[in-house]
Amino acid sequence: RKEVEQDPGPFNVPEGATVAFNCTYSNSASQSFFWYRQDCRKEPKLLMSVYSSGNEDGRFTAQLNRASQYISLLIRDSKLSDSATYLCVVNIGAGTYKYIFGTGTRLKVLA
Amino acid sequence: GAVVSQHPSRVICKSGTSVKIECRSLDFQATTMFWYRQFPKQSLMLMATSNEGSKATYEQGVEKDKFLINHASLTLSTLTVTSAHPEDSSFYICSAPRPGANVLTFGAGSRLTVL
Repeated sequence: RKEVEQDPGPFNVPEGATVAFNCTYSNSASQSFFWYRQDCRKEPKLLMSVYSSGNEDGRFTAQLNRASQYISLLIRDSKLSDSATYLCVVNIGAGTYKYIFGTGTRLKVLA
Repeated sequence: GAVVSQHPSRVICKSGTSVKIECRSLDFQATTMFWYRQFPKQSLMLMATSNEGSKATYEQGVEKDKFLINHASLTLSTLTVTSAHPEDSSFYICSAPRPGANVLTFGAGSRLTVL
């Protein structure tokens, strides 16, 4: 089983749609969680950290369920510019940067 | 702030040659940097942790004699792919911890093509 699993997609959605991505992780000792966005042939860029209580940043909402070991990302009112690959990232060590990346979920927002 | 610069962005070389990739933290000091590799449609895989003033720590399955890492200063880490072969063709990305935050900042990546 992969340490961080994501549905690779692609998710093809119309502009304005709401789309949700899920991610599961296998290491119950994982400490911190993130969603990164990666555009084609570019480096990953931090979209948002994921907190236990859930957090929101504009159209983006992230949730963490430690008991079930999954993380979610909700994107509301999708824009064409949201088209990218969304990477679920887990840091498995406290005080370290042992980041484990999921394979990413590809999103295409269609006009 | 917390900008990581990586160079070159793209390199094409012949099989058997060595290629050096530089990773610089421009506006902060980084005692630790990380090197990742990403093959097409695959996830980023951590290759090694670069430690300023000491030896790098390599992940299982990564040949330290093939992927030489030098972290000679607080702002520069280099990855040298020695005797490159076509199977080494990949997207190499460095990163460094953002000061005061529990997140990594990534360089723009270097796309290596070995002919």
